[in-house]
Amino acid sequence: NAGVTQTPKFQVLKTGQSMTLQCAQDMNHEYMSWYRQDPGMGLRLIHYSVGAGITDQGEVPNGYNVSRSTTEDFPLRLLSAAPSQTSVYFCASSHTGGGLVTEAFFGQGTRLTVV
Amino acid sequence: AQSVTQPDIHITVSEGASLELRCNYSYGATPYLFWYVQSPGQGLQLLLKYFSGDTLVQGIKGFEAEFKRSQSSFNLRKPSVHWSDAAEYFCAGDNFGNEKLTFGTGTRLTIIP
Repeated sequence: NAGVTQTPKFQVLKTGQSMTLQCAQDMNHEYMSWYRQDPGMGLRLIHYSVGAGITDQGEVPNGYNVSRSTTEDFPLRLLSAAPSQTSVYFCASSHTGGGLVTEAFFGQGTRLTVV
Repeated sequence: AQSVTQPDIHITVSEGASLELRCNYSYGATPYLFWYVQSPGQGLQLLLKYFSGDTLVQGIKGFEAEFKRSQSSFNLRKPSVHWSDAAEYFCAGDNFGNEKLTFGTGTRLTIIP
């Protein structure tokens, strides 16, 4: 199994440009989420989805959009990139439901630089 | 507000020595608690998790953690570290189980010969 796959691994954007970070999982997990990792701040939740067609905001959603048209894919869109969005982005997925505690599987990350 | 605190930003340990990484949580009820490890340039890997029951939890790579309700702590331990344990370690918590993880700021572990 590939697990959680993120593309691209590295990206440089100019301020104001838009782009989509891709995330795909092949484990049929219901729950998917996006985090950003910044030095000294740990990982912070941007958006999450509990299933196809359902998304919600996390702790730091401003400047980002998401959609979940399929169980497998959960793209993160930056509409107008800003230098403050320079970060490492992680996608995660997990099986959830019925009070079952399961492991969150993380992708390898996308390192984004906005200049 | 729910929070997870890792008081140590950086810890240096000699190879073969014991290790304890601290984690404190602030939740209204007992949260689900996790420890993740991140090697340079890599994603996060789950070391262990606590849901309920036995307060001493065993994980992969020889790690264990102890949940102490009275101290609101979930410290990670290893009796003898190896050079390959050098990485960043994150403690995380969640009220309902992996749905909205709250991460600590991480502890970077350096191993010296």
